[in-house]
Amino acid sequence: DIQMTQSPSSLSASVGDRVTITCRAGQSIDNFLIWYQQKPGKPPKLLIYAASTLQSGVPSRFSGSGSGTDFILTISSLQPEDFATYFCQQTYSAPRTFGGGTKVEIK
Amino acid sequence: EVQLVESGGGLVQPGGSLRLSCAASGFTFSNYEMNWVRQAPGKGLEWVSYISGSGSTIYYADSMKGRFTISRDNSKNSLYLQLTSLRAEDTAVYYCSRAYSTTWYGLDYWGQGTPVTVSS
Repeated sequence: DIQMTQSPSSLSASVGDRVTITCRAGQSIDNFLIWYQQKPGKPPKLLIYAASTLQSGVPSRFSGSGSGTDFILTISSLQPEDFATYFCQQTYSAPRTFGGGTKVEIK
Repeated sequence: EVQLVESGGGLVQPGGSLRLSCAASGFTFSNYEMNWVRQAPGKGLEWVSYISGSGSTIYYADSMKGRFTISRDNSKNSLYLQLTSLRAEDTAVYYCSRAYSTTWYGLDYWGQGTPVTVSS
């Protein structure tokens, strides 16, 4: 199984801050890396697929980068609606494991 | 409009069984791989299983192999997850979701989830 490790597990930031979240795969997954956003009581929302492609309707302040084992989700200017938990997932092979999540909280 | 609606969750005793269902609408169901993902209270996401559009390819997370069975009925636009030998650690909200190759099998639509509580 491919282990996905996210860091940090939580962070505090202010509106307007630049935020980066890291996801590391236990082996190369090419660019089969997905990012989701989840708000309390709601299902996750697909933000980015293929490591760097923005899903339709997702604001351009979100971006993804990386390939192989190391990936980054960046929020260029944090907005109030971005306070949520973010998860990465590898879809390179089954089981399609998720990272442990990063909770972005208001500073 | 794409909709996924789960049902079948509830309270079950350890060792018991449940069958979860997911009714899909708004898209050509048979064209899409379908997944189950669960989330224990206050915890992260855990991928459970997927089934290909035709039903010919199925995978499970290791901890669920032999206890959970995924299936689909394309004539009814429905996805199922049979849960058996349930344990307290299976307590979670179970989501159904769809995936497609054009989004690198990212899960682009999700249901609202159905809660499963395993307790005596």
